[in-house]
Amino acid sequence: AIQMTQSPSSLSASVGDRVTITCRASQGIRNDLGWYQQKPGKAPKLLIFGASSLQSGVPSRFSGSGSGRDFTLTISSLQPEDSATYYCLQDYNSYTFGQGTKLEIK
Amino acid sequence: EVQLVQSRAEVKKPGESLKISCKGSGYSFTSYWIAWVRQMPGKGPEWMGNIYPGDSDTRYSPSFQGQVTLSVDKSISTAYLQWSGLRASDTAMYYCARRDTSNFLEWFDVWGQGTLVTVSS
Repeated sequence: AIQMTQSPSSLSASVGDRVTITCRASQGIRNDLGWYQQKPGKAPKLLIFGASSLQSGVPSRFSGSGSGRDFTLTISSLQPEDSATYYCLQDYNSYTFGQGTKLEIK
Repeated sequence: EVQLVQSRAEVKKPGESLKISCKGSGYSFTSYWIAWVRQMPGKGPEWMGNIYPGDSDTRYSPSFQGQVTLSVDKSISTAYLQWSGLRASDTAMYYCARRDTSNFLEWFDVWGQGTLVTVSS
């Protein structure tokens, strides 16, 4: 099974900061990766699919990049409402979520 | 509006059976796979399996194969997740999600609100 390793597991940043979260796959997964945001008590929300395609309605401050084994989610200018846990999800072979990154606003 | 609406929270005893539901609306229910995802308390999501309402084709994660059953009633646009003998370790939030695809890419774009299942004696 493909393993997804996310880092960091948590981070704290200020409004306006540029934030980067990374995900590494245990093997190459082309660009078969999505990023999801989950707020407490809510279902995950799709942000990015295909490693870099922004889901309709998602603010443009969110972006994704990468291919093969290494992927990045970037928030260009952090907003208070971005406080959440973020998960990567590979869909190259079955589906595996990363362990999550909890993002806190200072 | 495209949405998935899940059944209410359940409290069950170990060994009991349970079937929870996920009703789709606002789109062609039979044209999109439905995924089920488990999220145990304080943990990340885990994919359990997918079912295609058009023909009930089903794919299970090896971790959940034989532990749960996915089914669908396309006449009422509803997918189901069922257990025949619950365990305390089945206590979790369960989500259904719609799988969409395009240009060889796929994603889960619409999610249900979740069904909390609590198993306790």
